[in-house]
Amino acid sequence: GQQLNQSPQSMFIQEGEDVSMNCTSSSIFNTWLWYKQDPGEGPVLLIALYKAGELTSNGRLTAQFGITRKDSFLNISASIPSDVGIYFCAGSATTSGTYKYIFGTGTRLKVLA
Amino acid sequence: GAGVSQSPSNKVTEKGKDVELRCDPISGHTALYWYRQRLGQGLEFLIYFQGNSAPDKSGLPSDRFSAERTGESVSTLTIQRTQQEDSAVYLCASSLVGGGGELFFGEGSRLTVL
Repeated sequence: GQQLNQSPQSMFIQEGEDVSMNCTSSSIFNTWLWYKQDPGEGPVLLIALYKAGELTSNGRLTAQFGITRKDSFLNISASIPSDVGIYFCAGSATTSGTYKYIFGTGTRLKVLA
Repeated sequence: GAGVSQSPSNKVTEKGKDVELRCDPISGHTALYWYRQRLGQGLEFLIYFQGNSAPDKSGLPSDRFSAERTGESVSTLTIQRTQQEDSAVYLCASSLVGGGGELFFGEGSRLTVL
């Protein structure tokens, strides 16, 4: 199925470090969502973005809607062990009247204490 | 309920059998989505329902897959003549509004086809 390009694919970082990941698309999107998924659970919404250039924070998390509307970025500051998991971006655009969300390939984050 | 509810949480079936997976969305949510997630992979879009509009079925991988939704409530995903490659977690999500609203996911139904 169709998916967005998300990078990096995985990363190991030390506790306390900042983390950056991004998502790119060949299509323009109207909405970007960022999710975290823990093993055996469904994805949990972290941040929603609705306007090009928008910068939104949720605690230590900050996400941006790229100006070109073809990309989005997620930053995690001062990582802690519970940040471990898989992070997914998702984009939605009006196509023939539907608003299906396409998901990125995921970034697997491991935090070393 | 408070969140999206999916059942069964786990299903083991034999190749060739039919399976039904159920999703109860958050009350009042008009949009409902089904996704498939294979082990270690991302989420693949399957189908999207929005109110009484015709569903977007563009992600269904074959005619063995079908889904129905009764009004703005329960949805059922049916897989006929299951194959081993159908083994995956099937995730349901609902959204208060269509048009790019926030998606809230259930815990998923893990399907294993022997």
